[in-house]
Amino acid sequence: AQKVTQAQTEISVVEKEDVTLDCVYETRDTTYYLFWYKQPPSGELVFLIRRNSFDEQNEISGRYSWNFQKSTSSFNFTITASQVVDSAVYFCALSEAMEYGNKLVFGAGTILRVKS
Amino acid sequence: DSGVTQTPKHLITATGQRVTLRCSPRSGDLSVYWYQQSLDQGLQFLIQYYNGEERAKGNILERFSAQQFPDLHSELNLSSLELGDSALYFCASSAGTSSGGLYTQYFGPGTRLTVL
Repeated sequence: AQKVTQAQTEISVVEKEDVTLDCVYETRDTTYYLFWYKQPPSGELVFLIRRNSFDEQNEISGRYSWNFQKSTSSFNFTITASQVVDSAVYFCALSEAMEYGNKLVFGAGTILRVKS
Repeated sequence: DSGVTQTPKHLITATGQRVTLRCSPRSGDLSVYWYQQSLDQGLQFLIQYYNGEERAKGNILERFSAQQFPDLHSELNLSSLELGDSALYFCASSAGTSSGGLYTQYFGPGTRLTVL
């Protein structure tokens, strides 16, 4: 079965520091998708990025960047020049194919606290 | 705002009771997913519907059931409630369904269920 490991339970940084959130996954599928979601204190889950297993190009979106390395089964997320508004729980997720549908398998999440 | 709506936002009830959580997917989305988020289990997939048909099932308790109606909204019914059912219940929707994760799941704001 698929598995996602986010080894960092909680990270605290000071504003403007860069921070990297780690994500390691296990899958037997050759085609799969990886996701990052953000859960701010208000509780909703906000989609950040989707990456398929055939696209190992790194992606940058403003202060956010993602590093996908198939060789190490990792999909890490870096926030550059962190801000207080980045404080949230961040989840890495992996798609799991089922017979007629699919589901997301989530990691345990990493709590990010950005202090001013 | 993801476009997925869930009602109610909060629900407080007693053990043994039955409740219904409602979800309206994003306009045009045919797939609806239900997830449970609890402190001890994290984010767990419950069930997926696509255009009215059940497509995938996770570790959903027999006391829980769901359906998707012709207008594509979905309801999750929880019965014989126990203290351990207290959790945040998310609904997500996607444009289609596939055996992988081709379609991104967008999450609603969740319903926080408290069983006393």
